[in-house]
Amino acid sequence: DAGVIQSPRHEVTEMGQEVTLRCKPISGHDYLFWYRQTMMRGLELLIYFNNNVPIDDSGMPEDRFSAKMPNASFSTLKIQPSEPRDSAVYFCASSSLGQGGSNEQFFGPGTRLTVL
Amino acid sequence: KQEVTQIPAALSVPEGENLVLNCSFTDSAIYNLQWFRQDPGKGLTSLLLIQSSQREQTSGRLNASLDKSSGRSTLYIAASQPGDSATYLCAVPSNSGYALNFGKGTSLLVTP
Repeated sequence: DAGVIQSPRHEVTEMGQEVTLRCKPISGHDYLFWYRQTMMRGLELLIYFNNNVPIDDSGMPEDRFSAKMPNASFSTLKIQPSEPRDSAVYFCASSSLGQGGSNEQFFGPGTRLTVL
Repeated sequence: KQEVTQIPAALSVPEGENLVLNCSFTDSAIYNLQWFRQDPGKGLTSLLLIQSSQREQTSGRLNASLDKSSGRSTLYIAASQPGDSATYLCAVPSNSGYALNFGKGTSLLVTP
């Protein structure tokens, strides 16, 4: 398996623009997580899905952030409009609990977002 | 809310030394704990996962222990090498589900 795939790896945009981050989880995993990492706050959960259904979005900063998982192999995180304080590294992770899964989370390489 | 603390924040050791990284958490009702490694500018690599029923897990030169009752875990690295230089993160699931709460990490530098 190729592991968790994220795109783009780097994104530089101007304030006010829409940003869409993409994630492909490991095949067969039924949990998908979006985290954000900053120097000040470390790694924090934004939202997670189970079987494509959002379970906990309490970490989503505000209405400018939205996430979808239209099918088991794809998820998006959208920021509209983007602001400089959104600059961070955004990670996607996936895991499996069913059929003896351990919920060990596997992370993608991240998307480094810079909002000017 | 589950709080995770890692001590020390940074550590520098000469090659060959054995070392211990510490992690503590506030809510002992966890069902697992995961240790990760993060290289600069890179993603997180899972090192070890300890289930709540286990006391320790080993992978090569790494050994992680878990004491749920005291809310502590340690990561032991034997015979450290310069390639071990990275940030090590400890994470436990949140009280309400499966998302992870992370410590701020220990930045390790192993000098030749």
